[in-house]
Amino acid sequence: GENVEQHPSTLSVQEGDSAVIKCTYSDSASNYFPWYKQELGKRPQLIIDIRSNVGEKKDQRIAVTLNKTAKHFSLHITETQPEDSAVYFCAASTHSSASKIIFGSGTRLSIRP
Amino acid sequence: GAVVSQHPSRVICKSGTSVKIECRSLDFQATTMFWYRQFPKQSLMLMATSNEGSKATYEQGVEKDKFLINHASLTLSTLTVTSAHPEDSSFYICSAKPGQGKPEAFFGQGTRLTVV
Repeated sequence: GENVEQHPSTLSVQEGDSAVIKCTYSDSASNYFPWYKQELGKRPQLIIDIRSNVGEKKDQRIAVTLNKTAKHFSLHITETQPEDSAVYFCAASTHSSASKIIFGSGTRLSIRP
Repeated sequence: GAVVSQHPSRVICKSGTSVKIECRSLDFQATTMFWYRQFPKQSLMLMATSNEGSKATYEQGVEKDKFLINHASLTLSTLTVTSAHPEDSSFYICSAKPGQGKPEAFFGQGTRLTVV
């Protein structure tokens, strides 16, 4: 089955700097890669996703890159702000509604003022 | 976006009792729903895939007789934690995908289970 690895587990950056979180996946059949932000005690919130037919996607300060050959994908947050502090999870799945989503281990991002 | 509603949001039960958690898709039909468990400061771990009208598929290491899943309709899946013990205390979250060409999953609010 699919295995998703994520690092770093914790990340502290100065406000205004960039943050990068990296993930790898094992199942070449995976073709959908969402990223979630989770605040304490809340449900995961989708912040951006990428499908395997593109290599990069950007939404304002957030971008995701995908390298299918290496089975790597990364989240980039630029111009970080205090409200970006949260736990971020990468995940892998397929387009099918019956396909489970497998999560990475999570990254606790802290933004230093 | 689609809405998945989970109930209750919090429950405290005594050790040895059973607790039922409901997961509903409010504005779409879900033939498949997923149940996750999240311990403090850990990731969401998939417990099982709930299939409407058939048996659930459990992940390795998850006891199917302890975590009973029923998916009797296209909008409702239930997870029953039987004979709960303190180690079952966790955050349980369900999710479902509306499908129709869109791969995005939607999550319930989660249920904080505390077994005392």
